[in-house]
Amino acid sequence: QKEVEQDPGPLSVPEGAIVSLNCTYSNSAFQYFMWYRQYSRKGPELLMYTYSSGNKEDGRFTAQVDKSSKYISLFIRDSQPSDSATYLCAIGDTGFQKLVFGTGTRLLVSP
Amino acid sequence: DTAVSQTPKYLVTQMGNDKSIKCEQNLGHDTMYWYKQDSKKFLKIMFSYNNKELIINETVPNRFSPKSPDKAHLNLHINSLELGDSAVYFCASSPDTGGTEAFFGQGTRLTVV
Repeated sequence: QKEVEQDPGPLSVPEGAIVSLNCTYSNSAFQYFMWYRQYSRKGPELLMYTYSSGNKEDGRFTAQVDKSSKYISLFIRDSQPSDSATYLCAIGDTGFQKLVFGTGTRLLVSP
Repeated sequence: DTAVSQTPKYLVTQMGNDKSIKCEQNLGHDTMYWYKQDSKKFLKIMFSYNNKELIINETVPNRFSPKSPDKAHLNLHINSLELGDSAVYFCASSPDTGGTEAFFGQGTRLTVV
């Protein structure tokens, strides 16, 4: 079983749609949860960072963590063509001293 | 002001050659990493350094040798390059002991021919 599972997509939505991206993970010891956005031929850019369970909102983006289900989500409201990118979930812990990434979901937002 | 910078951005080289990639971070972080991203976009950790000390070596061939002269720099030297080494290599850094939010460089696209 992979440490982090993520649907690779692609996920195609029209502009203005609400997008839901998800990951599941296997090791309950992880405490830090991140979402990265990666444009083509660029480095991953930290989008959202959450510690432990709960929700975090930043503009059009909301990150949710459910540690009991080992499930993390990223919601994008009013999606824009500029949101078209690959979204990577990552989990980590100071004890492990590394981040483990999902395979990434490619999102395409059409105008 | 670039937070994590790596050079070169592109590297094309022949099999059997030796090459180096350099990385510098100006975030004051204690932990630095090398990640490899394959053609399917999967990011896999190779090495983790904390305050110049090797913490993680994730079953990487010993042709790959990281070096950290100080906590702001982490270089990657690759000997006897093989076709399978072609990938994008990312340097990243995290505060404290790592495992929390990481900030990535723009990547080095290595092509071995």
